[in-house]
Amino acid sequence: ETGVTQSPTHLIKTRGQQVTLRCSSQSGHNTVSWYQQALGQGPQFIFQYYREEENGRGNFPPRFSGLQFPNYSSELNVNALELDDSALYLCASSPYRGSGGEETQYFGPGTRLLVL
Amino acid sequence: KQEVTQIPAALSVPEGENLVLNCSFTDSAIYNLQWFRQDPGKGLTSLLLIQSSQREQTSGRLNASLDKSSGRSTLYIAASQPGDSATYLCAVGGGANNLFFGTGTRLTVIP
Repeated sequence: ETGVTQSPTHLIKTRGQQVTLRCSSQSGHNTVSWYQQALGQGPQFIFQYYREEENGRGNFPPRFSGLQFPNYSSELNVNALELDDSALYLCASSPYRGSGGEETQYFGPGTRLLVL
Repeated sequence: KQEVTQIPAALSVPEGENLVLNCSFTDSAIYNLQWFRQDPGKGLTSLLLIQSSQREQTSGRLNASLDKSSGRSTLYIAASQPGDSATYLCAVGGGANNLFFGTGTRLTVIP
């Protein structure tokens, strides 16, 4: 069974640029969530995708957007990058079954983004 | 808005000691509570998941308890080992599978 994978592992961008991060969910999981973890902080929920639609969003501006594909993989896009966007971006998948918040989330290794 | 607090922020213990990590949360209307381990620069590994209807979960040397009414959870680690050194994160499950995380406890086990 393949776990959650993310690409790239590291990325350096400059302020104002755009970035796309990718995530492949664990086999059999139909839900993907994205989190931002700043240095020394706990992860913060960005949004979740279930069956290709956004299914919940945290307190992040619209320049953070996402997609989920028919194979349940997902992308996180960030436009107009700011210095404060520098963080570890974590993707998590789970076998959401519609009953709400009862499944363990399995996390990928993350993508470390540095904005200069 | 759910707020999760973990105390202490850092903890250093000698090998073999039993220890307790604490987590508190402000809104008791939760779906579940999860404890994760994070090694430096890495992703999160799930340790234990406690459903809102449960009081505790055990896995090997780890035991996690949940008291929803008081908004508290503890993670008990028995007979600590140097390999247990990591940051331990508590996360409370809200609706739609989103998790609210604490800032973690950084544990160092000294050989």
